[in-house]
Amino acid sequence: DAGVIQSPRHEVTEMGQEVTLRCKLISGHNSLFWYRQTMMRGLELLIYFNNNVPIDDSGMPEDRFSAKMPNASFSTLKIQPSEPRDSAVYFCASSLDSSDEQFFGPGTRLTVL
Amino acid sequence: AQTVTQSQPEMSVQEAETVTLSCTYDTSESNYYLFWYKQPPSRQMILVIRQEAYKQQNATENRFSVNFQKAAKSFSLKISDSQLGDTAMYFCAFMKLTSGTYKYIFGTGTRLKVLA
Repeated sequence: DAGVIQSPRHEVTEMGQEVTLRCKLISGHNSLFWYRQTMMRGLELLIYFNNNVPIDDSGMPEDRFSAKMPNASFSTLKIQPSEPRDSAVYFCASSLDSSDEQFFGPGTRLTVL
Repeated sequence: AQTVTQSQPEMSVQEAETVTLSCTYDTSESNYYLFWYKQPPSRQMILVIRQEAYKQQNATENRFSVNFQKAAKSFSLKISDSQLGDTAMYFCAFMKLTSGTYKYIFGTGTRLKVLA
């Protein structure tokens, strides 16, 4: 298995544009996590899913952020409209179950100008 | 609310020496999990070690071991025989189950540099 796959690896966009980040889970994993990492705030859990169902989205900063799992192996994190303060590295991670070891993707570095 | 504190933003250690990274946390729960994750310069985060709070025995993974002091709410990571490849950011993380939902909190990280 190639591990957790994220795309794109880098994204540069202008303020106000819609951004979609993508994540492919490791085959057989049931839990999916989205994190945001910044120098100021460290690593923050935004949302996690178990069996395609969002379980805890209390970390999602505001309504501009939304996440979906259209199927068991794929997830998207959308920011609309994007703002410069959204600039960060966004990680996706998957695990067999919510309490198991998480396997992280390589991250997407987002820059909003 | 749960918090995780890593009081050492940066540390360095000579190759082959031993280094200890500190982590303290605050919770009123009795059952939870603690983790150390490593993020090398390549950015990919990987699990180093995991400890269940109900286990008294300290977890060990090869050169990595923890000193888990539940009463003191301390969870330090010891790296023995440090290697250049250990250079990375290290994150301490706390997880607990509340009303069917897992809560995860990460510390701010300690940047470790292993010197040749």
